[in-house]
Amino acid sequence: AQSVTQPDIHITVSEGASLELRCNYSYGATPYLFWYVQSPGQGLQLLLKYFSGDTLVQGIKGFEAEFKRSQSSFNLRKPSVHWSDAAEYFCAVGDLGTGTASKLTFGTGTRLQVTL
Amino acid sequence: DAGVTQSPTHLIKTRGQQVTLRCSPKSGHDTVSWYQQALGQGPQFIFQYYEEEERQRGNFPDRFSGHQFPNYSSELNVNALLLGDSALYLCASSLTGDGANVLTFGAGSRLTVL
Repeated sequence: AQSVTQPDIHITVSEGASLELRCNYSYGATPYLFWYVQSPGQGLQLLLKYFSGDTLVQGIKGFEAEFKRSQSSFNLRKPSVHWSDAAEYFCAVGDLGTGTASKLTFGTGTRLQVTL
Repeated sequence: DAGVTQSPTHLIKTRGQQVTLRCSPKSGHDTVSWYQQALGQGPQFIFQYYEEEERQRGNFPDRFSGHQFPNYSSELNVNALLLGDSALYLCASSLTGDGANVLTFGAGSRLTVL
C-alpha cells in the first residue's frame, strides 16, 4: 500500500528565509506526486504536481519541488518565504487504481509558521 | 467560473443521527471524490463517483454512502453517527481523461458530532 511521510510536524522560518519541507513516499511504481496547501478554514489548493519528465517542477506562488526516485522523496522548496505562506502543507501520492481520478494518499501535514 | 461548492459549511449532529453533505463539482468536471480530514490529520479517501457509480472506495464502513446525480453533483451520507465522525469533509472534482489528473477541492463541510 502506498504511504506518505512528512517528518516535520511544525516548522518556523523568518520572512525572507528559504524553506524546505520534506516528503517521503512509498509506492510500487512511478508515482503521481502532489503538494497542496491549506489555509485555516479553507480547502486544499494545489501548489504543484509531478507525473513524469523533468524531476524539478515549478508551481504557483514561487514554490518548486524535486522528485528523487533514489531517495523516494519529493521535497518542497521556496527561496524566500512571505508571511502569507503560513499554512498547512500536505504532500500526497496519487493512484489511479480502478477509478477515473487519482485516489490520493496524504501525509499528516507540516504546519508552517512565518515570523516577521 | 465557480469552483467546487459544498454545503452546508458547518453542522452539528448528535450520536446516532444521520447526515447528508452536498457537493457541486467544478464546471466541466465529471468525477467526484470525497475525503475525510480529522483534526490535525491529512485527508483520507472515502470514495469516488463517476457516471453515477461508485468507482473506488477507501477503508470506511458501510455507514458511509454516496450518490452522484446526472448533473455530476454528489451527496455523502453518514448513518448512525459516532463521535469519531467529527471531521472536515472535503469534496474534490476532476475531469476523466484529463492527463493531468488533478483534483480541485472544495472548502469542506465541518461536521461536529456531540
